[in-house]
Amino acid sequence: NAGVTQTPKFQVLKTGQSMTLQCAQDMNHEYMSWYRQDPGMGLRLIHYSVGAGITDQGEVPNGYNVSRSTTEDFPLRLLSAAPSQTSVYFCASSLGDRGTDTQYFGPGTRLTVL
Amino acid sequence: DAKTTQPTSMDCAEGRAANLPCNHSTISGNEYVYWYRQIHSQGPQYIIHGLKNNETNEMASLIITEDRKSSTLILPHATLRDTAVYYCIVRDGYAGGTSYGKLTFGQGTILTVHP
Repeated sequence: NAGVTQTPKFQVLKTGQSMTLQCAQDMNHEYMSWYRQDPGMGLRLIHYSVGAGITDQGEVPNGYNVSRSTTEDFPLRLLSAAPSQTSVYFCASSLGDRGTDTQYFGPGTRLTVL
Repeated sequence: DAKTTQPTSMDCAEGRAANLPCNHSTISGNEYVYWYRQIHSQGPQYIIHGLKNNETNEMASLIITEDRKSSTLILPHATLRDTAVYYCIVRDGYAGGTSYGKLTFGQGTILTVHP
């Protein structure tokens, strides 16, 4: 199993550009989520999905869109990048969203918005 | 989810046991204690979790007090590669609800293992 994979590893954008951060998992996990981590801070939940076709907002959803057309993939779209979105983005997946379902994280995408 | 309190930093000599404490005095009956670590901006890595009983796996042991208000993560023989930020997280055991599966990461404990 490759686990949770994310691409790209690094990205630099100009203000106003759009892009998609890719996340895939090969563990047949139903629950997937996106977090962002700003310097010196903990992770904050952006969006999550409890299964294909179902998504919902987390704590900091503004400026981001998600979709879940397959179980394996959960892309995160930045609609119009802003410097405040400079961060490290982590994707995570688990069997379900119960407290007993361990979440596994990808390696992260480091995004800089100029 | 209940809040957790951890020391900001700790040191440990290589080969010795590292004992990382966590207070979660407002934990409720259905909440689990989870430990993750993050090595130098890599993705958080799952270590162990428990509800009431002590747990052990190939990475660590988790000791939860009888009243469940605190816990200790034990790395039995710390190595230099264990230098990381360690997060203690209390998480609702039920699906959905107000926590919607999220993990709430605090500041964690910076563990430095020296030679």
